[in-house]
Amino acid sequence: ILNVEQSPQSLHVQEGDSTNFTCSFPSSNFYALHWYRWETAKSPEALFVMTLNGDEKKKGRISATLNTKEGYSYLYIKGSQPEDSATYLCAFLTAGNMLTFGGGTRLMVKP
Amino acid sequence: DTGVSQDPRHKITKRGQNVTFRCDPISEHNRLYWYRQTLGQGPEFLTYFQNEAQLEKSRLLSDRFSAERPKGSFSTLEIQRTEQGDSAMYLCASSYSVDEQFFGPGTRLTVL
Repeated sequence: ILNVEQSPQSLHVQEGDSTNFTCSFPSSNFYALHWYRWETAKSPEALFVMTLNGDEKKKGRISATLNTKEGYSYLYIKGSQPEDSATYLCAFLTAGNMLTFGGGTRLMVKP
Repeated sequence: DTGVSQDPRHKITKRGQNVTFRCDPISEHNRLYWYRQTLGQGPEFLTYFQNEAQLEKSRLLSDRFSAERPKGSFSTLEIQRTEQGDSAMYLCASSYSVDEQFFGPGTRLTVL
């Protein structure tokens, strides 16, 4: 059973703060790492698909980095806004095309 | 809206009843996935189809769970003889390849 861990489990920040979360995953048999954002009562939304060691991807104020050799990825949010409040999930893609998800980081941004 | 749709959005049933959920993927996507999500956990993979072929079903939680995708388009997930522990959010996703998966809004099942 693959172990994908996310920390912290939850995070409260003030509007305007920058923040980051960690996803750790097995460093062997790596295919891809996915990041999703899941807002309450909505569908999980894909943020990034990361495949190469050293990848850095950016979408607006959100960016992510990938280290496959040591098995971790960071997600950064610059200048958090209340609309960033959501659960952020990372998922490790296996050879069998299965995504194994971490438990998520629940972010709450206070105005 | 051409996203992934799921029906029903909510289902309340009594223990021992059978339930069936439907997923309509994005039309050009050949891959379809089912996940289960319980409170405080990330989604847990259940099964996966490529076109009409079910390529992975070892993660279905018990023999009470089954899934079909008869014509390679929509899919159904059936749970027979439901138990209280089956209460969860059931998510469907589709993709064209091994790229990002597009998720539906989920079906929330409550077993009384």
